[in-house]
Amino acid sequence: QKEVEQDPGPLSVPEGAIVSLNCTYSNSAFQYFMWYRQYSRKGPELLMYTYSSGNKEDGRFTAQVDKSSKYISLFIRDSQPSDSATYLCAMMGFQKLVFGTGTRLLVSP
Amino acid sequence: EADIYQTPRYLVIGTGKKITLECSQTMGHDKMYWYQQDPGMELHLIHYSYGVNSTEKGDLSSESTVSRIRTEHFPLTLESARPSHTSQYLCASSATGTNSPLHFGNGTRLTVT
Repeated sequence: QKEVEQDPGPLSVPEGAIVSLNCTYSNSAFQYFMWYRQYSRKGPELLMYTYSSGNKEDGRFTAQVDKSSKYISLFIRDSQPSDSATYLCAMMGFQKLVFGTGTRLLVSP
Repeated sequence: EADIYQTPRYLVIGTGKKITLECSQTMGHDKMYWYQQDPGMELHLIHYSYGVNSTEKGDLSSESTVSRIRTEHFPLTLESARPSHTSQYLCASSATGTNSPLHFGNGTRLTVT
């Protein structure tokens, strides 16, 4: 079983929708959580970096961490076609960093 | 805009050739990494460095080698390319802190024919 599970999608939504992207994990040593956005033929770009349980907001993006359930989410409000990309979760603890496989998001106009 | 640069962006090369993928960063980060990424798969760490003259192999076995002679430069070399080396190679760096997030370059897409 993988340490980090992420649905590969694709997830297709209309413009303006609220998007929810999720990852689950099994290793309780993970304490730091990241979301990366990767456009086609580009490298991953850091979107959100969180430590504690709870919510962190940055513009249209909200990262949520529930350590008790070993579950993290990224919410995108008012989604735009420019949000179409692959979203990777990543988790870190005790100098170990593990990435999810990524969820492909398609936002149609 | 990325402060970590990879060249070339795309490379098509024949079997048996020696290649070097370049990676440079301008952020003064001590830690640098090479990842391999294939479609639908998670990123796999193949090499990392915590500073000048320090290099280690990652989780994924690789026939490539790396060097770290300068802080800002972390090239990856394949002595004899094979079709199994066809992949996307991503370079990343992070600041000195134990749990600093990684910043990635735009990758080199390598095709070995």
